[in-house]
Amino acid sequence: NAGVTQTPKFRILKIGQSMTLQCTQDMNHNYMYWYRQDPGMGLKLIYYSVGAGITDKGEVPNGYNVSRSTTEDFPLRLELAAPSQTSVYFCASSIDTVYGYTFGSGTRLTVV
Amino acid sequence: AQSVTQLGSHVSVSEGALVLLRCNYSSSVPPYLFWYVQYPNQGLQLLLKYTSAATLVKGINGFEAEFKKSETSFHLTKPSAHMSDAAEYFCAVSHSGNTPLVFGKGTRLSVIA
Repeated sequence: NAGVTQTPKFRILKIGQSMTLQCTQDMNHNYMYWYRQDPGMGLKLIYYSVGAGITDKGEVPNGYNVSRSTTEDFPLRLELAAPSQTSVYFCASSIDTVYGYTFGSGTRLTVV
Repeated sequence: AQSVTQLGSHVSVSEGALVLLRCNYSSSVPPYLFWYVQYPNQGLQLLLKYTSAATLVKGINGFEAEFKKSETSFHLTKPSAHMSDAAEYFCAVSHSGNTPLVFGKGTRLSVIA
């Protein structure tokens, strides 16, 4: 049972480039989330999904896009990378918030 | 709106001493409360959760937390710190099963030999 898998683990982007952070879960969880973690700031919600075909904005969605075509996958797209998007990105999934989240191991992104 | 405040961005304790990490929440309805731990260069792992059952919740690795509605608190404790407890700890809150968690800013715990 792999849980939540994020790829890549590390990436360096140049300003203006685009990329997709991949997230896959094999637990048949309906709920999936993307958070970013910045030093001393905790985790901030970017986007979340309550099921295939349904997505919603979180606290900090600007500069990002998501899609949820299947239950398993929830990719996060950065269209025009900016230095402010340098962060560690975590994907998570859950059956229901009451049970808590299962987190991936994170993607460390640097924009230069 | 719900929010979480973790008092102290960094806590340092001696090995064998009591660990106390503070968390206060704000929620207009009865909350669900969680503590997560993050070891260096890893994702977050669930330590324990409060979901309106017993107010004293026991988690993994000897940690426990007590929900105090009158104080809007959910502090994390461990009677005796171990070197392996050194990590960052996050408190989180939600007010319903389909509402995403809101995380605090985290508290880094250092354990001194």
